[in-house]
Amino acid sequence: GAGVSQSPSNKVTEKGKDVELRCDPISGHTALYWYRQSLGQGLEFLIYFQGNSAPDKSGLPSDRFSAERTGGSVSTLTIQRTQQEDSAVYLCASSLASAGSNVLTFGAGSRLTVL
Amino acid sequence: RKEVEQDPGPFNVPEGATVAFNCTYSNSASQSFFWYRQDCRKEPKLLMSVYSSGNEDGRFTAQLNRASQYISLLIRDSKLSDSATYLCNAGGTSYGKLTFGQGTILTVHP
Repeated sequence: GAGVSQSPSNKVTEKGKDVELRCDPISGHTALYWYRQSLGQGLEFLIYFQGNSAPDKSGLPSDRFSAERTGGSVSTLTIQRTQQEDSAVYLCASSLASAGSNVLTFGAGSRLTVL
Repeated sequence: RKEVEQDPGPFNVPEGATVAFNCTYSNSASQSFFWYRQDCRKEPKLLMSVYSSGNEDGRFTAQLNRASQYISLLIRDSKLSDSATYLCNAGGTSYGKLTFGQGTILTVHP
């Protein structure tokens, strides 16, 4: 597509429920990133996918968080047993990831509110 | 120590002022550097890349100091529309994990 598409744009859930956030990157972009941004804070790196390589999961805050990327395209971030501190905007970004060209294009984000 | 650190500000400057932000990075192997701009409740968007020799785009100048491991952004003749959060970004290799600073808030007032 023309840009990075994320869904849902807003999600309100109850504590303890599982949520899935979806990211559809720009066609042809081999790299895909997930970041989390809490209110008034910077971008916290969560996970990075590059082609068929093993993802860099070093930013996932706990084992309640997982992500997958199917067919090198769409990615899903899953948060199990949500907690109130999970409330944030989850941003997905994609990149061509060629030498000298890892400029990120972000989606509009998924705003998660855990009650 | 955080991988990428910025002064969060806020910076409050009058129209027409010159303002500069710095961003330090801890990974000496970092090879790619960028400045992004984020408007309130919007996603970050690329402002400019930072090249080793420094680069300029209109009123904006970006510089890299590898010896001291920091990048800078200079905005001349500030406009009201420059009010935003400015995020710096550093990567270890040409592609790979990209870490952001916490952002610097700039408010330009009349």
